[in-house]
Amino acid sequence: AQRVTQPEKLLSVFKGAPVELKCNYSYSGSPELFWYVQYSRQRLQLLLRHISRESIKGFTADLNKGETSFHLKKPFAQEEDSAMYYCALTTGNQFYFGTGTSLTVIP
Amino acid sequence: NAGVTQTPKFQVLKTGQSMTLQCAQDMNHEYMSWYRQDPGMGLRLIHYSVGAGITDQGEVPNGYNVSRSTTEDFPLRLLSAAPSQTSVYFCASRSGGKGYEQYFGPGTRLTVT
Repeated sequence: AQRVTQPEKLLSVFKGAPVELKCNYSYSGSPELFWYVQYSRQRLQLLLRHISRESIKGFTADLNKGETSFHLKKPFAQEEDSAMYYCALTTGNQFYFGTGTSLTVIP
Repeated sequence: NAGVTQTPKFQVLKTGQSMTLQCAQDMNHEYMSWYRQDPGMGLRLIHYSVGAGITDQGEVPNGYNVSRSTTEDFPLRLLSAAPSQTSVYFCASRSGGKGYEQYFGPGTRLTVT
């Protein structure tokens, strides 16, 4: 069965510090992985997807098939990064979301 | 483009009542999905559709029905509301293909008493 695990429910970092949100997955096929973000009072929106190998708002995520991980990283956290972050995996028709990590960046 | 719209924004139901959550998209997306968001549980897929006339169950389909008579609309019906269905419900749509972004609606906060 497909599963996405985000081990940290809450994460607090100081402004300017590096941040890493962990995501591990289990899937027997070739995964397509995403990070979605939900800012306060806003809709859930795509942050980045592994297939694009892009950096959005300073965030990057590398797919590590050996460790089955897709951790989200940013070298210098900003206050506006405070939000709920969800890692997600799709098998094609269905998406599977992790339980989310609430990130707070302390000024 | 309005994107994905959902109505109502808030709803309170009594146990046993039925209701329909509305979802519409104007992006001509093939795929539409319904999720529920619960604290500590993340988003869980209820039902999804890969095109008009085609629907399938997700992880937590019990107590919910869907239909897809048009590309634009994907209503979610609660047949007999239960307190366990108190949640925030999100509708999403996307184009076909695994790498495509999902676009989410603003959500409906449902309370069942």
